[in-house]
Amino acid sequence: GAGVSQSPSNKVTEKGKDVELRCDPISGHTALYWYRQSLGQGLEFLIYFQGNSAPDKSGLPSDRFSAERTGGSVSTLTIQRTQQEDSAVYLCASSFPPTYEQYFGPGTRLTVT
Amino acid sequence: GENVEQHPSTLSVQEGDSAVIKCTYSDSASNYFPWYKQELGKRPQLIIDIRSNVGEKKDQRIAVTLNKTAKHFSLHITETQPEDSAVYFCAALGGTYKYIFGTGTRLKVLA
Repeated sequence: GAGVSQSPSNKVTEKGKDVELRCDPISGHTALYWYRQSLGQGLEFLIYFQGNSAPDKSGLPSDRFSAERTGGSVSTLTIQRTQQEDSAVYLCASSFPPTYEQYFGPGTRLTVT
Repeated sequence: GENVEQHPSTLSVQEGDSAVIKCTYSDSASNYFPWYKQELGKRPQLIIDIRSNVGEKKDQRIAVTLNKTAKHFSLHITETQPEDSAVYFCAALGGTYKYIFGTGTRLKVLA
């Protein structure tokens, strides 16, 4: 079946602009995660959804970052007033508890100029 | 807060030798421990995982061991091949369903 998809694959934006990143999880997966990976670094947890609710928002770096999930499926990560330090690959993953096996999307490479 | 430490950060082995990567976690409620392989420019791929009710799991050349008392788990790759070269991440899933990842190990298999 189809895996996790993300769009756009690449996004170049000017500093100060807002961006929206989209994630389509595997059908039926109730858990959805957003991570950020800077060049050559590990995975930084941003936010986790179970269904449409986000019980853990502790990883969001600042109030410029927000995320929502509708219909228990598609999720959008929004970054307002982008800064150069926001440049990274943003990865989305989904899983179906209780197996917990997490499947990653291809990521969105964000470049803020 | 929750933390996962991973060692070493880089590892070079000769083709055919074994490689071992170790992780230590802090959240005693963690009950699921996956390992991911990430090749350059690609997404992380799950290669093996272990749950807290199991001490060891093996899949061909890859094995993972878990010591819950000491809160550490290890990845073992035997008979390494050049295509095993990649960055490997360990992770721990805690009681809040939040994955905590290690900082990664860059494995180089020298032909």
